[in-house]
Amino acid sequence: DGGITQSPKYLFRKEGQNVTLSCEQNLNHDAMYWYRQDPGQGLRLIYYSQIVNDFQKGDIAEGYSVSREKKESFPLTVTSAQKNPTAFYLCASSPFTGPGYGYTFGSGTRLTVV
Amino acid sequence: AQSVTQLGSHVSVSEGALVLLRCNYSSSVPPYLFWYVQYPNQGLQLLLKYTSAATLVKGINGFEAEFKKSETSFHLTKPSAHMSDAAEYFCAVSAAGAGTASKLTFGTGTRLQVTL
Repeated sequence: DGGITQSPKYLFRKEGQNVTLSCEQNLNHDAMYWYRQDPGQGLRLIYYSQIVNDFQKGDIAEGYSVSREKKESFPLTVTSAQKNPTAFYLCASSPFTGPGYGYTFGSGTRLTVV
Repeated sequence: AQSVTQLGSHVSVSEGALVLLRCNYSSSVPPYLFWYVQYPNQGLQLLLKYTSAATLVKGINGFEAEFKKSETSFHLTKPSAHMSDAAEYFCAVSAAGAGTASKLTFGTGTRLQVTL
């Protein structure tokens, strides 16, 4: 079955360390997204990409970086510049079939700073 | 630009009672509206969506929502709550043009608690 795979499910980061969250989809979707979720704040968009080798900043891009070298993959790096990275991170994808499709989500990665 | 407002960050109902989760939207073009459900430590799952075909939309797990343009609302209902409905629910709006991907704007979520 097609879907989105996020790994790892749990990740621990030391202060000053960069970490990379993986997101892979086999849905042949064109667009991919990264969201951050904190209690009581809903979902906040970090980055999104509509085509390979192109991506756009979302509302809270500072301290994060992404790449889109393949249509199937959209990894997110949380850099040491992100001062409060502890959160639940969600990856999503959607096709270029117009606004009525919505998103398919992965199961998330919970990142904790130790 | 579009936005959604979910009234009530927490809603508590008894098992068997009516579930009503409120969502109001703002959009300068005809909107597409979605309800997603999230169980603890999981991703979001699509419950139902409005894409202008019918104003009353039926979704999974017995949920439905009615699009009311005059009230700019898309409230989610279920006649009889079950313990398994306890989760967080997100309303979202999309208004991108054809030939592009959706770009959803999410509400802040409503946590539904179901009590015995």
